[in-house]
Amino acid sequence: AQSVAQPEDQVNVAEGNPLTVKCTYSVSGNPYLFWYVQYPNRGLQFLLKYITGDNLVKGSYGFEAEFNKSQTSFHLKKPSALVSDSALYFCAVRGRNTGGFKTIFGAGTRLFVKA
Amino acid sequence: EAGVAQSPRYKIIEKRQSVAFWCNPISGHATLYWYQQILGQGPKLLIQFQNNGVVDDSQLPKDRFSAERLKGVDSTLKIQPAKLEDSAVYLCASSTGTGGQETQYFGPGTRLLVL
Repeated sequence: AQSVAQPEDQVNVAEGNPLTVKCTYSVSGNPYLFWYVQYPNRGLQFLLKYITGDNLVKGSYGFEAEFNKSQTSFHLKKPSALVSDSALYFCAVRGRNTGGFKTIFGAGTRLFVKA
Repeated sequence: EAGVAQSPRYKIIEKRQSVAFWCNPISGHATLYWYQQILGQGPKLLIQFQNNGVVDDSQLPKDRFSAERLKGVDSTLKIQPAKLEDSAVYLCASSTGTGGQETQYFGPGTRLLVL
């Protein structure tokens, strides 16, 4: 069975500092990995995804994520955090299931960027 | 390009009442998803449609939940009768297909409170 873990409920970082939001996954076969961001009273917005190829994926708003197959991780990173990055971040894995692909979301990590 | 539309945005009902949510996906997107997001958790897939056919409804509580996508475009999710534990945000998403690499685009969600 496939699963996603986001080990930190909340990440606190000062504005201008680098940030990392962690994600590990378990899936049979090749994983398709996604990051989404959710602002208050809004739906999930797509940030980036890993399908194949280069392990470093660049996405929206200056975010990037590194796929590490040996550690089964897909951590989200940004070199310099902004206060406006404060939001809820979800990692998701899409793996092949009976009848097709199924997406499993992590529980989310709240990012708080302090000015 | 217009995004995924959902209505209503908020709904308050009493337990044992019925409620319906509506979703209109991005134009041309064949695949439509309904997710339930309970406070503090990641979204959980309830049902997935490919055009007007059901691909996956394994986590849909079929004794009280139903969904349809009769013409392969917009969709309705119904709960009858509602229970207290149905209080959640109901998210609709769409994608062009069902492949593993497909990005899902989410609507703003309907926040349901069952009293």
